[in-house]
Amino acid sequence: DIQMTQSPSSLSASVGDRVTITCRASQIVGNSLNWYQQKPGKAPKLLIYAVSHLQSGVPSRFSGSGSGTDFTLTISSLQPEDFATYYCHESYLFGPGTIVDLK
Amino acid sequence: QLQESGPGLVKPSQALSLSCSVSGGSISTGSSYWSWIRQHPGKGLEWIGYIYHSGTTYYNPSLESRVTISLDTSKSRFSLKLTSVTAADTAVYYCARALEYYPLVVAFDSWGQGTLVTVSS
Repeated sequence: DIQMTQSPSSLSASVGDRVTITCRASQIVGNSLNWYQQKPGKAPKLLIYAVSHLQSGVPSRFSGSGSGTDFTLTISSLQPEDFATYYCHESYLFGPGTIVDLK
Repeated sequence: QLQESGPGLVKPSQALSLSCSVSGGSISTGSSYWSWIRQHPGKGLEWIGYIYHSGTTYYNPSLESRVTISLDTSKSRFSLKLTSVTAADTAVYYCARALEYYPLVVAFDSWGQGTLVTVSS
């Protein structure tokens, strides 16, 4: 079975910081890697699909990259509304999440 | 838009049943998989399963023996039934649309607001 891990599990950052979150799969997953943002009490929101494609309406400060088993979500300049939990997702598996909070 | 409905409290050993109403688009769209996902309190996301407009279903192997997802295209809704529930099934249950962007690339692009189901006597 595929296992998904994310690192770090949490991070503290300031507005304007560049933030990078990593997702690693235990086996090659092709390009079916997606990223979601979830705020407390809300449903997750799709940010990136197929590794690097920005979902419609998502700000361009979000980007995704990677291949094979290692993938990255980058927020180029963290905004106040970006403090949330981020999940990677492949097919039927979600990563454990990365909490981004205010330093 | 998607909207979950169903009981917020279920007794242990009974069945949990939820429905999801779909509006603003056809539930028969060829590239859409109608999905259920849950989130245990304070925890991460767990995919339960999805159903294609043809009626074909795909379930999480860890839940497959207890899960049934069905589709009612005439009412534009789909449903979840989870049998023999325990306290471990207490979670927020989301319905979502999984869109097939490319072959083998599926992402959940639209979600309901979620509904908390508590299993307790």
